[in-house]
Amino acid sequence: ETGVTQTPRHLVMGMTNKKSLKCEQHLGHNAMYWYKQSAKKPLELMFVYNFKEQTENNSVPSRFSPECPNSSHLFLHLHTLQPEDSALYLCASSHQEGQGHGYTFGSGTRLTVV
Amino acid sequence: AQTVTQSQPEMSVQEAETVTLSCTYDTSESDYYLFWYKQPPSRQMILVIRQEAYKQQNATENRFSVNFQKAAKSFSLKISDSQLGDAAMYFCAYRFVYGGSQGNLIFGKGTKLSVKP
Repeated sequence: ETGVTQTPRHLVMGMTNKKSLKCEQHLGHNAMYWYKQSAKKPLELMFVYNFKEQTENNSVPSRFSPECPNSSHLFLHLHTLQPEDSALYLCASSHQEGQGHGYTFGSGTRLTVV
Repeated sequence: AQTVTQSQPEMSVQEAETVTLSCTYDTSESDYYLFWYKQPPSRQMILVIRQEAYKQQNATENRFSVNFQKAAKSFSLKISDSQLGDAAMYFCAYRFVYGGSQGNLIFGKGTKLSVKP
């Protein structure tokens, strides 16, 4: 474990389902991120939270809804997804001030939309 | 906007040999950080090595070293004495020193490295 835990590891959901992805870190970081990783595409930054406040939303469809109740937890709520949303969803955390330290990533949730 | 380019989608190396992965980036800033991340089949993105742009000396971490050419905006990763466990996707990444949206990590598309026994 690297300090960032993501659950579930795998998720299969129908297009009409509602599910949530969870990310948790206890590294004392104050910034958390959601990335989408699709085959043959660069990692796509979806959302950024700094000190629990959303500071970035990179034109993500509203069927993805993030929630950050505190600096240690981050959720991604999913509803009425499309098959093209199938991907690996990675959570990461960092010290916002410590730009040189990079991010610590979780192992991701492999999402399949059927 | 900053961009990171990895021009080698796939690379292959013989075990115990040396391989170099290429990365170029585009930025108008002078203060930034560069990183190489490794993503094995387990999917965990692991930080391999980092370089501060204001340091001329190339970073080294055991068998991993970089060739940082700031003027050319080039940041290649050299893996010496390659091991089977080095097989993974390798991502080059850039991060501006200061905060805000420019302080987010920007990744290249990655290079898939295979290691032959």
